Amino acid sequence: GAVVSQHPSWVICKSGTSVKIECRSLDFQATTMFWYRQFPKQSLMLMATSNEGSKATYEQGVEKDKFLINHASLTLSTLTVTSAHPEDSSFYICSAISPGLGLEEQFFGPGTRLTVL
Amino acid sequence: GENVEQHPSTLSVQEGDSAVIKCTYSDSASNYFPWYKQELGKRPQLIIDIRSNVGEKKDQRIAVTLNKTAKHFSLHITETQPEDSAVYFCAATISSGSARQLTFGSGTQLTVLP
Repeated sequence: GAVVSQHPSWVICKSGTSVKIECRSLDFQATTMFWYRQFPKQSLMLMATSNEGSKATYEQGVEKDKFLINHASLTLSTLTVTSAHPEDSSFYICSAISPGLGLEEQFFGPGTRLTVL
Repeated sequence: GENVEQHPSTLSVQEGDSAVIKCTYSDSASNYFPWYKQELGKRPQLIIDIRSNVGEKKDQRIAVTLNKTAKHFSLHITETQPEDSAVYFCAATISSGSARQLTFGSGTQLTVLP
């Protein structure tokens, strides 16, 4: 149980284009989902917290107009990287929590490797 | 906000030896401390966690200790094996309310030499 999927697992795009990444909780309802970015050999940095049906809360320094987050249902959150540039190339990981699963443990997706050419 | 510091950044041990990774946190309100193992290109995997009402927790070869007064917690791996080689992250969060954001340490690259 408590499986989180991400799609796509990797994507290559041209500079200036937009990319959408999906995060799904497969067997539970996720009241909150988190989006992280991880550069090579670095730690996970929280980008934003997404609650179902409300606007995402972005961490300081993260551009909300560039990283659009939508949490339209209790099982799906999407991250859209708009006008992507090479410096946006990174490993993007989502996680989810659920009241039914204790709310403490975050269940992580497998990550999406974004490469912007 | 919370700040988590992790040491060392790299650690090499001989197979069978023990490995210890240490973390400190800044927010005394933090009460949940998970440890993750991440292999290259994979998702972080929870290996053990501890809550602030407990000083030590053990699961087979893995143990975690917590000192609330000093605000530090440590991961202990005994009888290390080559498959323990990975990056390990500590994290801290306040386990109440709706926020629950995890703050991660900077990571420790553990290499177990055969």
